[in-house]
Amino acid sequence: GIQVEQSPPDLILQEGANSTLRCNFSDSVNNLQWFHQNPWGQLINLFYIPSGTKQNGRLSATTVATERYSLLYISSSQTTDSGVYFCAVFSGSARQLTFGSGTQLTVLP
Amino acid sequence: NAGVTQTPKFRVLKTGQSMTLLCAQDMNHEYMYWYRQDPGMGLRLIHYSVGEGTTAKGEVPDGYNVSRLKKQNFLLGLESAAPSQTSVYFCASSYREASYGYTFGSGTRLTVV
Repeated sequence: GIQVEQSPPDLILQEGANSTLRCNFSDSVNNLQWFHQNPWGQLINLFYIPSGTKQNGRLSATTVATERYSLLYISSSQTTDSGVYFCAVFSGSARQLTFGSGTQLTVLP
Repeated sequence: NAGVTQTPKFRVLKTGQSMTLLCAQDMNHEYMYWYRQDPGMGLRLIHYSVGEGTTAKGEVPDGYNVSRLKKQNFLLGLESAAPSQTSVYFCASSYREASYGYTFGSGTRLTVV
């Protein structure tokens, strides 16, 4: 099946710093989503981004489908950004959303 | 608008016991999913449903059964719990199969001793 790899696995930042999270996938996909899992376990959908670039406040995402990767940018990080960020891709052949193993982000005050 | 509601939130089972996890959504979504989350492994799909009365196997279906008798409800059953089924279980729903609108419940933390 499709493989989804995220990097880095862990990231520690000082409040106010910027960061880039990467997601590589092994096959063509119909869609790609970024999720944030907060420290209480809730999964929040951040972006639906099968291609191109989108921005939402301090967060933005870019997917280059032809090169099979996506990037999530977090600018001016805040302690509330802490948690795990997941990339998930949907492949028509597998008919399911496949998740990467996530990036654990810790933002220190 | 409650979204996706999972019950119970926590449960401890003894090996061999059975239980049912309930997922309810009020968004009139056609698709519903059960995932499990284990440390360092992201989320893996157990079973899913593309509409009322339908179910299908996902990546890790063994040891679980599901039913979708009503559009708004998706039940996950463990007939004989094993320690390997200790995990956090998430239910999700979506309007379309590959759409933006994946809404997740808050999870059920299950421990099998």
